[in-house]
Amino acid sequence: DTGVSQNPRHKITKRGQNVTFRCDPISEHNRLYWYRQTLGQGPEFLTYFQNEAQLEKSRLLSDRFSAERPKGSFSTLEIQRTEQGDSAMYLCASIETGGTGELFFGEGSRLTVL
Amino acid sequence: LAKTTQPISMDSYEGQEVNITCSHNNIATNDYITWYQQFPSQGPRFIIQGYKTKVTNEVASLFIPADRKSSTLSLPRVSLSDTAVYYCLVLYGQNFVFGPGTRLSVLP
Repeated sequence: DTGVSQNPRHKITKRGQNVTFRCDPISEHNRLYWYRQTLGQGPEFLTYFQNEAQLEKSRLLSDRFSAERPKGSFSTLEIQRTEQGDSAMYLCASIETGGTGELFFGEGSRLTVL
Repeated sequence: LAKTTQPISMDSYEGQEVNITCSHNNIATNDYITWYQQFPSQGPRFIIQGYKTKVTNEVASLFIPADRKSSTLSLPRVSLSDTAVYYCLVLYGQNFVFGPGTRLSVLP
């Protein structure tokens, strides 16, 4: 296993388009997190899953943001009707429940909205 | 949510020991303290985690006083490659909440 994988690494889109990011966590990790990070700021928590259950989504930035993890493996984060303010790095992380507390992050997906 | 406060930036020279202190005044009994390192255009990477007293691994030490209201990350003999942002996190339930971090610049 090569760690947490995120695709695409870079996405440029026009305002108003929909975008989807995919995260493949480490296979034995049953908890998955999504964060957003803008320049000069720390990662901002968005949502997380325990297996396929989305246990916290109140911090998703608006109703244009949604996330799924249908089979408890990979996850997708969708942003509908993108706005320029959505430009950021979107980070995915996974952790094994009951493990050491070490979050494993992917390299992120950088979104640029023109 | 437990809130953390740490210096925005620090400068150091190669070979020096660097200590970054984080305040977490309202840490809860069950909360752990975790530190991450982040390089530009990369995801954060786990450095060390502790609950109380002192923890040491191959890259850093973490000092936590008895009241647990603060913690200090110690990086021995830093090199240029340690230039990065360092985040102190308090694990609150299932949420890992990042603050703005400390930007460490290591100078030659």
